[in-house]
Amino acid sequence: DTAVSQTPKYLVTQMGNDKSIKCEQNLGHDTMYWYKQDSKKFLKIMFSYNNKELIINETVPNRFSPKSPDKAHLNLHINSLELGDSAVYFCASSLWTSGKETQYFGPGTRLLVL
Amino acid sequence: EDKVVQSPLSLVVHEGDTVTLNCSYEVTNFRSLLWYKQEKKAPTFLFMLTSSGIEKKSGRLSSILDKKELFSILNITATQTGDSAIYLCAFPNTGNQFYFGTGTSLTVIP
Repeated sequence: DTAVSQTPKYLVTQMGNDKSIKCEQNLGHDTMYWYKQDSKKFLKIMFSYNNKELIINETVPNRFSPKSPDKAHLNLHINSLELGDSAVYFCASSLWTSGKETQYFGPGTRLLVL
Repeated sequence: EDKVVQSPLSLVVHEGDTVTLNCSYEVTNFRSLLWYKQEKKAPTFLFMLTSSGIEKKSGRLSSILDKKELFSILNITATQTGDSAIYLCAFPNTGNQFYFGTGTSLTVIP
């Protein structure tokens, strides 16, 4: 069974469109994350979210918004897509309260904005 | 501000060589350090280190943490082409966030 899953795997869209990426984890973890990995392979945190608190990296544009319908899901919605949004987006989860905060990553969503 | 620096940025070696990858950090409220391997897809977990001086081993890979000098190393012995990947170190902070280093891109040639 897949631990952290993301859909879609690939997303090609036009500038100005709005799109969503879905993420689900079946590990019973309490915290989920979104990362952006650019062409230089630098992995940058965008959001972390548990059932108490959303922490937003201050450099993330407000066109990006995470939405969590329940503890097992953290979706990423992007408004007014721009060329610079092209990247691979990874969802991840961890059990923060355990004291062993190993993160598990989803397979990634490759976004290309034309 | 928390900071994580990995070196070298990239490395090319021949099969059978031993490599040492470095991760230095300035992180407030240190909890642990994690090493990941990223091939073509998502990062996969290798090690978690919380205490100085205790070496973690998994086959040909080993890692150690020095909390006094604020660095960690990842050693790979008898490298194989399958070791070619980006190796990332990361730190969780008390704000439920992980900070990743820039990564070291390792290429092992036959």
